[in-house]
Amino acid sequence: DTGVSQDPRHKITKRGQNVTFRCDPISEHNRLYWYRQTLGQGPEFLTYFQNEAQLEKSRLLSDRFSAERPKGSFSTLEIQRTEQGDSAMYLCASSFRAGEGETQYFGPGTRLLVL
Amino acid sequence: AQSVTQLGSHVSVSEGALVLLRCNYSSSVPPYLFWYVQYPNQGLQLLLKYTTGATLVKGINGFEAEFKKSETSFHLTKPSAHMSDAAEYFCAVSGSNFGNEKLTFGTGTRLTIIP
Repeated sequence: DTGVSQDPRHKITKRGQNVTFRCDPISEHNRLYWYRQTLGQGPEFLTYFQNEAQLEKSRLLSDRFSAERPKGSFSTLEIQRTEQGDSAMYLCASSFRAGEGETQYFGPGTRLLVL
Repeated sequence: AQSVTQLGSHVSVSEGALVLLRCNYSSSVPPYLFWYVQYPNQGLQLLLKYTTGATLVKGINGFEAEFKKSETSFHLTKPSAHMSDAAEYFCAVSGSNFGNEKLTFGTGTRLTIIP
């Protein structure tokens, strides 16, 4: 068990470019969550998967954002036509659905800066 | 809908003194409550959680929290602060009738330890 990993750890891009982030959950965790954290704030929920199915998306997730989890393993989060307001830390978490009050294990995050 | 309020965005205590970080929640369903700690440029690490049962919960690194339903509170305490406790602390709530156990976080409390 090596924990949740995210790649890249840092990304600097120019406004209007597309970016993609990857999250590798703890093996055998069937749930995967994406959160966004801006400076001075707590993380905010973006979307989650149970296995390969994307079951809920936050209203924060505009049409420029898309997430996938093919085969129920790793997940990708893509942002198209980035804007300066997308600058934030993007956190991934995974959990094993074993009843309510499950523990989510977080990765180190990907820090995005849009110039 | 759920929400979390953390009173005090910054708390400073002397090394060896009591640590008290406040958290109040609002939830329309029975809540599950969490405290996470975040060190600079890292993801979130679970300190402790309350799901059901005993209302006094013990976590890692000597921290504990008490769930008080009548006060809708889940304050975090540690009897004696250590320099390594300096970090940002987030209180979070989850709980859903629909299976999505997304976490709703407070805005965080930055804890500074004075030597």
